[in-house]
Amino acid sequence: EAGVAQSPRYKIIEKRQSVAFWCNPISGHATLYWYQQILGQGPKLLIQFQNNGVVDDSQLPKDRFSAERLKGVDSTLKIQPAKLEDSAVYLCASSFDRGSDGYTFGSGTRLTVV
Amino acid sequence: DQQVKQNSPSLSVQEGRISILNCDYTNSMFDYFLWYKKYPAEGPTFLISISSIKDKNEDGRFTVFLNKSAKHLSLHIVPSQPGDSAVYFCAATNSGNTPLVFGKGTRLSVIA
Repeated sequence: EAGVAQSPRYKIIEKRQSVAFWCNPISGHATLYWYQQILGQGPKLLIQFQNNGVVDDSQLPKDRFSAERLKGVDSTLKIQPAKLEDSAVYLCASSFDRGSDGYTFGSGTRLTVV
Repeated sequence: DQQVKQNSPSLSVQEGRISILNCDYTNSMFDYFLWYKKYPAEGPTFLISISSIKDKNEDGRFTVFLNKSAKHLSLHIVPSQPGDSAVYFCAATNSGNTPLVFGKGTRLSVIA
């Protein structure tokens, strides 16, 4: 089966600019997650979708981050405006359902804010 | 507040010897634990898991031990191989009802 696709792989932007990341989960996976991994830290959940509805966005900095999952398939994560501390790898993962431990991660997007 | 802790940032082991990676958790609601392996420029990949109803789970060279009373788990790799060199993340969830919470990771280097 095809894995979780993410793009772009790398992005460098200046602070206060905006950026968007795209994720295409594994076909049939209802649950989609966006994690932020800052260098030297473990992945931290930003938002969880079940189909096209948000299940958990308690750790999403909503003043600058937004995410959507239209039609319950692809998802986009946006940052506007970016800050230096947003420099991180943004990982998308999907699983068959909420109770599944079968998270499949994409390769991530490495964002550098200068 | 870190709910999953991996206190060793790095570990170096000789090829053929045992690697032991440790993980502690503070949330007593966690009842399912997983280990993920991550190579540079790739996403984490699932390695092995354990439910709180067990104290040991084995898969080939990988064994995970769980000590619920101490809120501690460990991953044993025997024998260690150079290809095992990667960052290992411990993760936990509450029956899958909550998203995975990850530790900071331990970088394992297996020296030939």
